[in-house]
Amino acid sequence: AQTVTQSQPEMSVQEAETVTLSCTYDTSESDYYLFWYKQPPSRQMILVIRQEAYKQQNATENRFSVNFQKAAKSFSLKISDSQLGDAAMYFCAYRSLVNYKLTFGKGTLLTVNP
Amino acid sequence: DAGVIQSPRHEVTEMGQEVTLRCKPISGHNSLFWYRQTMMRGLELLIYFNNNVPIDDSGMPEDRFSAKMPNASFSTLKIQPSEPRDSAVYFCASSPRTGGNEKLFFGSGTQLSVL
Repeated sequence: AQTVTQSQPEMSVQEAETVTLSCTYDTSESDYYLFWYKQPPSRQMILVIRQEAYKQQNATENRFSVNFQKAAKSFSLKISDSQLGDAAMYFCAYRSLVNYKLTFGKGTLLTVNP
Repeated sequence: DAGVIQSPRHEVTEMGQEVTLRCKPISGHNSLFWYRQTMMRGLELLIYFNNNVPIDDSGMPEDRFSAKMPNASFSTLKIQPSEPRDSAVYFCASSPRTGGNEKLFFGSGTQLSVL
């Protein structure tokens, strides 16, 4: 079974600064997808960014980018120019292409300080 | 589209009572997932369906939990009898089953409190 580990329960960043959230995963599959979801206090789950494992190029969505290291099974999220609205719980997730299950890490609570 | 619709948004019940959570997925989506979120365990996948058929229910904690999907537009998660340790936020999510890169669309969740 796949596992997803987020080793930082909490992180904080100053507004306008850059922060990186860590994620590692364990799998025996060669092809899969990785996601970062954001959960603000409203509790809505919002997709931030996704990465296909067969693509070497790191995904980017505006201020959000990933550092995908397939051999190391690492998938970190970088948030540039942090904004107050970025404060939320961030979940890393792995989706199998064998059974399509989406497995989440325990999450990282991000605080943005003004 | 209204998105994934869950009801109720909040449920407070007493231990031993039956609880039924409801979910309407996005029209046209073939996959439906039930997750439970707690502080201690994070987001746990309970069960998921493809084309209304349960594919994997290994995450269902025990026989007190059951889920059904009688048609493509409706699913229920039932807990009978409920216990205080079942208190959590329960999310329903749906996605098109066209490939693994399809994101899951989540409902707003049901906050369940069992007293």
